[in-house]
Amino acid sequence: AQRVTQPEKLLSVFKGAPVELKCNYSYSGSPELFWYVQYSRQRLQLLLRHISRESIKGFTADLNKGETSFHLKKPFAQEEDSAMYYCALRRGATNKLIFGTGTLLAVQP
Amino acid sequence: NAGVTQTPKFQVLKTGQSMTLQCAQDMNHNSMYWYRQDPGMGLRLIYYSASEGTTDKGEVPNGYNVSRLNKREFSLRLESAAPSQTSVYFCASSLGAGEAFFGQGTRLTVV
Repeated sequence: AQRVTQPEKLLSVFKGAPVELKCNYSYSGSPELFWYVQYSRQRLQLLLRHISRESIKGFTADLNKGETSFHLKKPFAQEEDSAMYYCALRRGATNKLIFGTGTLLAVQP
Repeated sequence: NAGVTQTPKFQVLKTGQSMTLQCAQDMNHNSMYWYRQDPGMGLRLIYYSASEGTTDKGEVPNGYNVSRLNKREFSLRLESAAPSQTSVYFCASSLGAGEAFFGQGTRLTVV
């Protein structure tokens, strides 16, 4: 069965510090992985997807198939990065999209 | 462009009452989803529909039914509401394996 694990419920860092939000997955096939973000009072929205290999708002994420991980990283956190972050996995054939439990990132001034 | 629209935004039900949450998208997406969001549990998939006329169970389907009325609309029905169904419900849609777009959520309280 496919599963997405985000071990940290809350991650608190100071402005300017590096950030790493952890995501591990279990899936027997070739996964498609995403990071979604929910800012306060806003809709859940896509931050980035692994096939794009792009950096959005300074965030990057690399798919490591050996470790079945897709950690989200940013070298210098900003206060506006404070939000709930969800890692998600899609099973290609059915488009079924499964989310992890989310990590609340709090960036302190 | 409205995107994904959910109604209602807030609802209070008594235990045993029924209701339908409505969702519509205007992006011509084929896939639609219903999730519930609970503290510490993240987003859990209730049902999804890969295309018009098809629906499949997600992680937590018990106590819910869905109907993919047409390509635009995907409704979620609670036949007999229970306090355990108190949650925030999100509808989403996507074009195949593309980005999923979310509605603003429905906050449901069952007393």
